[in-house]
Amino acid sequence: GDSVTQMEGPVTLSEEAFLTINCTYTATGYPSLFWYVQYPGEGLQLLLKATKADDKGSNKGFEATYRKETTSFHLEKGSVQVSDSAVYFCALRGTGGFKTIFGAGTRLFVKA
Amino acid sequence: GAGVSQTPSNKVTEKGKYVELRCDPISGHTALYWYRQSLGQGPEFLIYFQGTGAADDSGLPNDRFFAVRPEGSVSTLKIQRTERGDSAVYLCASSRAGGLIDEQFFGPGTRLTVL
Repeated sequence: GDSVTQMEGPVTLSEEAFLTINCTYTATGYPSLFWYVQYPGEGLQLLLKATKADDKGSNKGFEATYRKETTSFHLEKGSVQVSDSAVYFCALRGTGGFKTIFGAGTRLFVKA
Repeated sequence: GAGVSQTPSNKVTEKGKYVELRCDPISGHTALYWYRQSLGQGPEFLIYFQGTGAADDSGLPNDRFFAVRPEGSVSTLKIQRTERGDSAVYLCASSRAGGLIDEQFFGPGTRLTVL
C-alpha cells in the first residue's frame, strides 16, 4: 500500500540555519504530495502541496519539489526562525482514493 | 469564518465504556474525514464521508468503531467497549468537495484517554 517515510527527529537548529527535512514515498500512479505543520498547541495546517512531477510547492519561505524519479518531496527553508519550531508531517493522497497518508512527523526546534 | 470544531476536547473513560466524539465541519463542506493520531505518530485515516454516506471506511480498525453523518454536516464517531489501545487524539477534517487536491481543514482534535 501507499506509504510515507520521513526523517526522524528531533531536528535542532540555530536561527538562520538552513533546513532540510527528507521525505520519500511509495505509491502507485501519481499521488498529490503535501507538507503539514503542527505548531505547539494548535491543529494541523497545510503548509504546501504539489500535484504533479517537478511541481514546486512553496509557502512562508518553505519549499518542496515533487521528484518522481527519486520518489521524494524534501522540505527546505533557507533561514529558519524560532517561530518555525513545530512538528512537520509529509503526506500523500493517492489517485485511487481520498484518504491522506501521513508520515510519522519530524519535530523541529529552532534556538535563538 | 468558523473552522472545524470538535467536542469534547478531552475525554477520559474507563475500559469497556462507550464514547461518542463529535465533529462540526466547515459550513458547506461536503467531504468529512476522521483520523486517529497516536503519540509520536502521524494521523492515521479512519473514514471518509461524502455527504451523508461513508465513501471509504477502510481505516476503521474493527467493528467497535462506527461513524455517522445523518444530515451531511455534523458527524459522530462512536467507539464501543473501549480498550486502552484506543487512547489517542481523534482528528476530524473537512474539505469543500473531497477532490484529490482539495485542501483538508483539520479540527483541534479530541484527546481520548481510556483508563
